[in-house]
Amino acid sequence: GAVVSQHPSWVICKSGTSVKIECRSLDFQATTMFWYRQFPKQSLMLMATSNEGSKATYEQGVEKDKFLINHASLTLSTLTVTSAHPEDSSFYICSARDSRAGGTDTQYFGPGTRLTVL
Amino acid sequence: QKEVEQNSGPLSVPEGAIASLNCTYSDRGSQSFFWYRQYSGKSPELIMFIYSNGDKEDGRFTAQLNKASQYVSLLIRDSQPSDSATYLCAVKRWANNLFFGTGTRLTVIP
Repeated sequence: GAVVSQHPSWVICKSGTSVKIECRSLDFQATTMFWYRQFPKQSLMLMATSNEGSKATYEQGVEKDKFLINHASLTLSTLTVTSAHPEDSSFYICSARDSRAGGTDTQYFGPGTRLTVL
Repeated sequence: QKEVEQNSGPLSVPEGAIASLNCTYSDRGSQSFFWYRQYSGKSPELIMFIYSNGDKEDGRFTAQLNKASQYVSLLIRDSQPSDSATYLCAVKRWANNLFFGTGTRLTVIP
């Protein structure tokens, strides 16, 4: 299978604090992981592409200094929302690309992290 | 023109009927095509993928791809209330990321 986990599943924090979200591929190595954000009743929005051992590639309009991404190993990527504000409250979802030989190069999604900033 | 377009719906079908979900894409170089299902408040889960023209069946689901017309569809046979969700079409070009449609909301009426 191809299982992706995220932690925490939900978090509530005060405005101005930083929050770290972890994304792990449990049964495969993922050289590429993706971070998405989804506001209520809206579609997925790609925030950034995370490549193991290199800097993340951010989509237009996403502040790289606010959303820090680290992909230090083939099974772990982290997203840190720095100085979070209420407008950052959203559903953050990661996905990992299964690039194993003979695989489908499919993206599998984590269960998501619901962030609420008070 | 958007990369991937879907009718946002909602699409309502009675239980037991066939639900037909459609998706068009703009880039002829697109290589592979995916259907994800997303329940409210949950993350997307992969239903199936298709690479070649024609039909691909998996249980009650059939994906259909027509590269000449640049559309991909998903048929759900014997629809169940548990199939009620938003269905996301995603398209991938060679070595690139997935481009998602905005999703079609399906409601299966008991």
